[in-house]
Amino acid sequence: NAGVTQTPKFRVLKTGQSMTLLCAQDMNHEYMYWYRQDPGMGLRLIHYSVGEGTTAKGEVPDGYNVSRLKKKQNFLLGLESAAPSQTSVYFCASSPSGDTQPQHFGDGTRLSIL
Amino acid sequence: GQNIDQPTEMTATEGAIVQINCTYQTSGFNGLFWYQQHAGEAPTFLSYNVLDGLEEKGRFSSFLSRSKGYSYLLLKELQMKDSASYLCAVTDSNYQLIWGAGTKLIIKP
Repeated sequence: NAGVTQTPKFRVLKTGQSMTLLCAQDMNHEYMYWYRQDPGMGLRLIHYSVGEGTTAKGEVPDGYNVSRLKKKQNFLLGLESAAPSQTSVYFCASSPSGDTQPQHFGDGTRLSIL
Repeated sequence: GQNIDQPTEMTATEGAIVQINCTYQTSGFNGLFWYQQHAGEAPTFLSYNVLDGLEEKGRFSSFLSRSKGYSYLLLKELQMKDSASYLCAVTDSNYQLIWGAGTKLIIKP
């Protein structure tokens, strides 16, 4: 049982480059989330999805886009034009529902923007 | 604004007991979670409280007082492997999780 799988695990980009982070879960969860985690700060929600074909903005959506075409498949996070301020650890998570159920996290993607 | 406060760092001794506090001010309340995060790893779920009182799960217990906007995580019989960050998170009225910055717990022999 793989749970939540994120790729890549590490990436270094130059300012202005674009890339897509991939997340997949095999638990049939409805809800999926993208967070960023920076030193000294709590996890901050970038975008989330409450089901197949739906996405919504979180706390810090600017500079990112997402897509979720099928429930069990990839929840993609795109950086349109990478900036040094987007250097962070990115976590994908999923949960059966959005309120009382715990979220299950992937191992994270460590992204550096030079 | 919404705010979750936790101590930045705590130190405890192997075999002892430690209490990690969390206070919150959020727009509504629909539950409080505690997660454990080892350095360089993903957060993992520890406990969930939605009603006042103590929830016990092995060596870990979590307490909630909704009227005080307060929770704590109690770790007993500390082991070296308990060295980690402990994250408090509250589900607000929009069912969004608001996360604290985490408490780094250092266990000394």
